[in-house]
Amino acid sequence: DAKTTQPNSMESNEEEPVHLPCNHSTISGTDYIHWYRQLPSQGPEYVIHGLTSNVNNRMASLAIAEDRKSSTLILHRATLRDAAVYYCILRAVYNTDKLIFGTGTRLQVFP
Amino acid sequence: NAGVTQTPKFQVLKTGQSMTLQCAQDMNHNSMYWYRQDPGMGLRLIYYSASEGTTDKGEVPNGYNVSRLNKREFSLRLESAAPSQTSVYFCASSERDAGIYGYTFGSGTRLTVV
Repeated sequence: DAKTTQPNSMESNEEEPVHLPCNHSTISGTDYIHWYRQLPSQGPEYVIHGLTSNVNNRMASLAIAEDRKSSTLILHRATLRDAAVYYCILRAVYNTDKLIFGTGTRLQVFP
Repeated sequence: NAGVTQTPKFQVLKTGQSMTLQCAQDMNHNSMYWYRQDPGMGLRLIYYSASEGTTDKGEVPNGYNVSRLNKREFSLRLESAAPSQTSVYFCASSERDAGIYGYTFGSGTRLTVV
């Protein structure tokens, strides 16, 4: 799978929007962009994934650049419960390799 | 919705002891996985099972064995525990082993080997 680059940490205030960036300049045309998050002392949790178009669900939005070399996970109104490590992972459509985690972005949310 | 259930949640072993970590999913998923997470690090894949009856090695399989007992259950066995195996272990499942499907993770087993 192609490599992703994320900032080690980010900070936000509660109820403000948060934009978590991910660079994936070597992405291939069949790679899906997945986001997971891991709350303290819990297992990772699926957040969202997309291929080319922007995606929205109840947890977040995923904005994908036109050239697909970067993407942004958007939390519209951060809450204290959103403090977690966020992982951006690329997965090919028919890839039989497994989900490989990097070190992610640690998001701190302040009241 | 139970999702992925792991037992036990906590375990302390002495060096050389053996134990089996249990994992069960109720989502009728085909693929199941075992990861470990050391402090301050990302998850690393130990073993996986793409479908019932098959298992394959991941990034860090040494010192572990697995059994895909049936579609629901995937166990991880430590035959002779070592302090280097102190970690948090996560089981996960997905509908298929492909990029368009998301993974569901259990809440983890915190293992300490003394």
